[in-house]
Amino acid sequence: DSGVTQTPKHLITATGQRVTLRCSPRSGDLSVYWYQQSLDQGLQFLIQYYNGEERAKGNILERFSAQQFPDLHSELNLSSLELGDSALYFCASSDSGEYTDTQYFGPGTRLTVL
Amino acid sequence: AQSVTQPDIHITVSEGASLELRCNYSYGATPYLFWYVQSPGQGLQLLLKYFSGDTLVQGIKGFEAEFKRSQSSFNLRKPSVHWSDAAEYFCAVGGRFGNEKLTFGTGTRLTIIP
Repeated sequence: DSGVTQTPKHLITATGQRVTLRCSPRSGDLSVYWYQQSLDQGLQFLIQYYNGEERAKGNILERFSAQQFPDLHSELNLSSLELGDSALYFCASSDSGEYTDTQYFGPGTRLTVL
Repeated sequence: AQSVTQPDIHITVSEGASLELRCNYSYGATPYLFWYVQSPGQGLQLLLKYFSGDTLVQGIKGFEAEFKRSQSSFNLRKPSVHWSDAAEYFCAVGGRFGNEKLTFGTGTRLTIIP
């Protein structure tokens, strides 16, 4: 158990819909990272937040957005969903803003878009 | 742009046998290098990482990796595998400059036979 929690574990929705994925980092960790793992694209970094502020952006679509709240939990919002958005979405956390620090991964949220 | 190649999609080894998983990277300088393991239904766990210094890096669970600059490689090794090592293994490269982040390989799935 990494100490990172993600909800829900599974999500099934339809094209065009909007969903919110939630992540609670390990106690004391200030950074949250979001990753997407799909058969087509593999594992890709989406975005990083550090202590409430966006720190780095990767291959995140404009239809996707994220935020980190004062209690340090984070949400990833996916809108206008397409079939190709079906993937496993991971959240990871670390104690500093440096991505080279050990990142602790949650178990993921599996999103299925029908 | 940085990239990483894991040439073996799937490897099968016998329990107790030695293991080597290949990883080749492309980057203009010496990158940061990582190996992660993903067990079925789980998030990723960091096995080891290389930043600088000794080119032979020891990690958790008895794994080690060797950085070879001349071959742009960072192969993962274990002298004797256990059935619990069956998982997917990801090599990742991280940039040292500016906003560069982690780039993951496509992974190698390891199967252990009795």
